[in-house]
Amino acid sequence: AQSVSQHNHHVILSEAASLELGCNYSYGGTVNLFWYVQYPGQHLQLLLKYFSGDPLVKGIKGFEAEFIKSKFSFNLRKPSVQWSDTAEYFCAVKGFGKLSFGAGTTVTVRA
Amino acid sequence: NAGVTQTPKFQVLKTGQSMTLQCAQDMNHEYMSWYRQDPGMGLRLIHYSVGAGITDQGEVPNGYNVSRSTTEDFPLRLLSAAPSQTSVYFCASSPRDRVWEQYFGPGTRLTVT
Repeated sequence: AQSVSQHNHHVILSEAASLELGCNYSYGGTVNLFWYVQYPGQHLQLLLKYFSGDPLVKGIKGFEAEFIKSKFSFNLRKPSVQWSDTAEYFCAVKGFGKLSFGAGTTVTVRA
Repeated sequence: NAGVTQTPKFQVLKTGQSMTLQCAQDMNHEYMSWYRQDPGMGLRLIHYSVGAGITDQGEVPNGYNVSRSTTEDFPLRLLSAAPSQTSVYFCASSPRDRVWEQYFGPGTRLTVT
């Protein structure tokens, strides 16, 4: 069975600081990896996805993620956060026809 | 398109009561799923369906039943509510070959006392 582990439960940053959220997965097959974001009071929405090819993927709103196969990791990064990036972030892996989510990381950006 | 709709938005149940959470989508998506979201545990898959007449268990299926008689509807039934089922429930749908492009409903906040 696949599983996803997110290292940080809650991250607090100041505006313009850099953000990196860790994500490790376990799955024996070909992985499809995703990051989702849930802004306060809103639905989950897809931030970025990785299927194959270039291990550095770029998503919306200046986010990017790097797939490192040897480390089973798919960390999310943003060089300079804004107050509007305050949200909960979920890593997910697709395997066996279904999507499995990590526990989520709450990111609070202070102005 | 209404997208994914869920009813009710809020519900309070007493232990032992049963109820059905409704979910409907108008995008002709084959794949539908139910998640529960709990603090510190993220989204956990309860049940999912890849098409009408086909359902399967997710990570936390105990205490819940589903059926998929039509493409549009995917109700979730709580057989005998327990306080441990207090949670926010999300229904989602997507094309079968793009399950990552899930459209989520607004959620149902359920409290079991």
